[in-house]
Amino acid sequence: EPEVTQTPSHQVTQMGQEVILRCVPISNHLYFYWYRQILGQKVEFLVSFYNNEISEKSEIFDDQFSVERPDGSNFTLKIRSTKLEDSAMYFCAKGTSGTGADTQYFGPGTRLTVL
Amino acid sequence: GEDVEQSLFLSVREGDSSVINCTYTDSSSTYLYWYKQEPGAGLQLLTYIFSNMDMKQDQRLTVLLNKKDKHLSLRIADTQTGDSAIYFCAEGQGGKLIFGQGTELSVKP
Repeated sequence: EPEVTQTPSHQVTQMGQEVILRCVPISNHLYFYWYRQILGQKVEFLVSFYNNEISEKSEIFDDQFSVERPDGSNFTLKIRSTKLEDSAMYFCAKGTSGTGADTQYFGPGTRLTVL
Repeated sequence: GEDVEQSLFLSVREGDSSVINCTYTDSSSTYLYWYKQEPGAGLQLLTYIFSNMDMKQDQRLTVLLNKKDKHLSLRIADTQTGDSAIYFCAEGQGGKLIFGQGTELSVKP
């Protein structure tokens, strides 16, 4: 299975700043996901995205967060005004069916550090 | 609500078998998954099992599913030092994955 790549591998930002995390390149898959893992905690679902629309989002995914596919291949997660508690590993994943039977393949993650 | 639980640590000797256990709450899960996370790396899909199966074997990996007890296990035969990692079980729920907290497997030579 082709890799899912993510950039940057590590992002350091000041509280209140906007960050954009990228998942590149994506091809031949229809469903995309973002998860996060706060240090020492579970991997948590944030949002699923299909056909340029959000399919499902968790309660974590509030108005500070947004996702898009700006050029049809890259898949981005934007955090508008970062908070200290946004510090985490953010994983992008791709899938084919968007159902509970979907085999999801994860990228290596972006470590976000908010100071 | 949805919840997946795992024990946090497991230590074994090289060459022994490892058994990592997981319990889940949602009986409607269609697929259950095992992922591996090595230090500083992403989540690598190891294997998965469909909910109407009891067992699945894939080389050194054996997955057992007890649907009645909502219990899933991953057995790694002939465990090697390269198997040292965190292992996550996850259940598929309507397109999202619900993860356990991960079991850190330590393999001692």
